[in-house]
Amino acid sequence: EVQLLESGGGLVQPGGSLRLSCAASGFTFSNFAMSWVRQAPGKGLEWVSGIRGSGAFTYYADSVKGRFTISRDNSKNTLYLQMNSLRAEDTAVYYCAKVLNWGEKANDYWGQGTLVTVSS
Amino acid sequence: EIVMTQSPATLSVSPGERATLSCRASQSVGSDLAWYQQKPGQAPRLLIYGASTRATGFPARFSGSGSGTEFTLTISSLQSEDFALYYCQQYDNWPGTFGQGTKVEIK
Repeated sequence: EVQLLESGGGLVQPGGSLRLSCAASGFTFSNFAMSWVRQAPGKGLEWVSGIRGSGAFTYYADSVKGRFTISRDNSKNTLYLQMNSLRAEDTAVYYCAKVLNWGEKANDYWGQGTLVTVSS
Repeated sequence: EIVMTQSPATLSVSPGERATLSCRASQSVGSDLAWYQQKPGQAPRLLIYGASTRATGFPARFSGSGSGTEFTLTISSLQSEDFALYYCQQYDNWPGTFGQGTKVEIK
């Protein structure tokens, strides 16, 4: 059974940093691209970042480019999102999600999310 | 970034009726289009990918169609468990942008 468990969310001041983690199990982690998707309170879904299975290629939404860094440790089956220079508008539930396959980059499994609150 | 536009924002439908949701892309995405269902307090669930392939666990009353820039999600006969938020997402090129969502509510 595929499981994705996010952690690392919390309250942080504007300008601060936070690192999210996503522990994956139930599939061969290194074979699949992964994504981070966020949802601000009461708002819609926003794709944040993605990474290929090897970790060699990364992708970002314009809203986070230069501030967030996605990475993965395939030996630990773990996905990360390093978030720097955080702003109030980054407040959201952050989901990690598995990509179905590289030819169909839909997200077939999602974690339950971790809440990030940026506030002074 | 490709902009995805969903309509309507809210759809009021009686149980047993048909619901038709639309999604438009600002440029062609081929068939690289997914639909997700989200219920309150839950993570989204993949419903349709490749514009028309139903994901595991969803019944045949859900169907997707379209290609290029115009896409449709149809629920043929709404059941109580279908009242939820629905999002489309293009993944032709990352960033994989989402539409703003359509809320399907009970009429």
